[in-house]
Amino acid sequence: EDKVVQSPLSLVVHEGDTVTLNCSYEVTNFRSLLWYKQEKKAPTFLFMLTSSGIEKKSGRLSSILDKKELFSILNITATQTGDSAVYLCAVEAADSWGKFQFGAGTQVVVTP
Amino acid sequence: EPEVTQTPSHQVTQMGQEVILRCVPISNHLYFYWYRQILGQKVEFLVSFYNNEISEKSEIFDDQFSVERPDGSNFTLKIRSTKLEDSAMYFCASLEGGTRGYEQYFGPGTRLTVT
Repeated sequence: EDKVVQSPLSLVVHEGDTVTLNCSYEVTNFRSLLWYKQEKKAPTFLFMLTSSGIEKKSGRLSSILDKKELFSILNITATQTGDSAVYLCAVEAADSWGKFQFGAGTQVVVTP
Repeated sequence: EPEVTQTPSHQVTQMGQEVILRCVPISNHLYFYWYRQILGQKVEFLVSFYNNEISEKSEIFDDQFSVERPDGSNFTLKIRSTKLEDSAMYFCASLEGGTRGYEQYFGPGTRLTVT
């Protein structure tokens, strides 16, 4: 059975710290891995990763995929209180177009 | 900026009643999805829809559920006879697809409460 496991489940950091979130997966015939940020309601898209070793970057957020070891990390540098959210990882298999299997998420709390 | 919209934002219904949740995906998107998130739990895939038919569905999406795109803009999820365990936030999402875009845009959700 396909699995998506995120770690840690939650963490609390101070403003300015760097956080690293992990998403490991087991999926037959991997196609893509997506990261989302969920604040109050709907998830908002952050990154889509399909190739190993290519870092995607957006401001203070970056993400990379390791298809050999079957994981991805999401880094947030110089955290701000507005980064407080649940970060979700979702994986898609090549033979299941659009069927994204989500992990349970990592809750990040950034304190002033 | 284009966005996915959903109505209603909150629906309260009695067990056994039928509900229809409505979504308007982004206009040039080709792929449509329904997810649900039970309070405190993970986002769960329900169904994907492309070219006027279901592409994929999960084990959750049983005979009580159906989806429809009745016109060129709306995408609906119907639950025929609601159960208490159907209480959840239901998210609609759409995706442009092809070479133009793979980003999945989520709507704000409909909170369904079954009493």
